[in-house]
Amino acid sequence: DAGVIQSPRHEVTEMGQEVTLRCKPISGHDYLFWYRQTMMRGLELLIYFNNNVPIDDSGMPEDRFSAKMPNASFSTLKIQPSEPRDSAVYFCASSFVGNEQFFGPGTRLTVL
Amino acid sequence: TQLLEQSPQFLSIQEGENLTVYCNSSSVFSSLQWYRQEPGEGPVLLVTVVTGGEVKKLKRLTFQFGDARKDSSLHITAAQPGDTGLYLCAGAREYGNKLVFGAGTILRVKS
Repeated sequence: DAGVIQSPRHEVTEMGQEVTLRCKPISGHDYLFWYRQTMMRGLELLIYFNNNVPIDDSGMPEDRFSAKMPNASFSTLKIQPSEPRDSAVYFCASSFVGNEQFFGPGTRLTVL
Repeated sequence: TQLLEQSPQFLSIQEGENLTVYCNSSSVFSSLQWYRQEPGEGPVLLVTVVTGGEVKKLKRLTFQFGDARKDSSLHITAAQPGDTGLYLCAGAREYGNKLVFGAGTILRVKS
């Protein structure tokens, strides 16, 4: 079975540009989570969805960040405009009912 | 402020040694999970503990959940180079709810 799929794996962009990260959760999972990982702050939850509905977005840094889940098999995390401090590895994870989460391989974002 | 404090932050040991990683909090969790992450990959779930005092074993790894469900430990016996990685504990306040992650313990096992 395919695990959580994220794209792109690496993204390098310039400050001010829009960045869109994509995630396909494991089929049948009803929770989807977006995390950001940095050396300084560790793994931080940004937002999570249940049955495609955003439940808690208190971890989203600011209005420059937005996330959508138009259907059960796809979610996006968008940063507009991007800033150098947004450089990090962004993970998507999914789970079914309970809280045992399965993580994707991550997207390494570098904003110059 | 970290809700979950992990210690030590970094551990470098020789192959064959034993080690323990601790995860502590002043908060009660309904469950606690341990993940292992290798460079360039996402965290992979090792175990979930849900009952106070629970002990789970996974080959050379032993996980314990504190009686009060506020702390946990991971003990590795006879560590091997393949155990090298970042170990993360994560607690859930409610079933099906979001996880709070500790800062992680970087383990390096030298051959």
